[in-house]
Amino acid sequence: DTEVTQTPKHLVMGMTNKKSLKCEQHMGHRAMYWYKQKAKKPPELMFVYSYEKLSINESVPSRFSPECPNSSLLNLHLHALQPEDSALYLCASTPGGDRDTQYFGPGTRLTVL
Amino acid sequence: DQQVKQNSPSLSVQEGRISILNCDYTNSMFDYFLWYKKYPAEGPTFLISISSIKDKNEDGRFTVFLNKSAKHLSLHIVPSQPGDSAVYFCAADTGNQFYFGTGTSLTVIP
Repeated sequence: DTEVTQTPKHLVMGMTNKKSLKCEQHMGHRAMYWYKQKAKKPPELMFVYSYEKLSINESVPSRFSPECPNSSLLNLHLHALQPEDSALYLCASTPGGDRDTQYFGPGTRLTVL
Repeated sequence: DQQVKQNSPSLSVQEGRISILNCDYTNSMFDYFLWYKKYPAEGPTFLISISSIKDKNEDGRFTVFLNKSAKHLSLHIVPSQPGDSAVYFCAADTGNQFYFGTGTSLTVIP
């Protein structure tokens, strides 16, 4: 299994909703990442969970919160989002360090109404 | 199954020489291709792109070549510099979704 899976593929939510995005890999990778990508722009790094340590991009609002229940799963909890948070949310994983090859999931396309 | 593949996880090149990074894809619906460069602890940054109606695009030291019949693109960096050491991703766009390769880690040796 050489895939990173993300669920759901599409999500539409209101500004008062609470939802979660799920990312899973079974490659034994030690680092997982969440990115936000707007149309025709490069992905912006949001969070890194590497060797059981969470690193946060300080520009990411607190309405996004990551959770790592185990080494193969990285969730992104969403609460009180804004319409400008509508984007493609990509998850990725690497075997170890940050210079390793990075496996991207297909993304979750999020629309906030 | 990966729709965009970078089969070389790593590449080492002497400073001043040419770096050639390769990428293969399977989906003939891709109409736009991009290369990104990624430094540790940062997100990928856009480097250069090419539309499927072209076979070459050049920007300074960076040139991307597209061979549609072979479903292959490559990034040439000439001359390579130590600051080019990074992970390079190719990506393909159908207009609705991006697909990324797994990256090639380039090391330019001074």
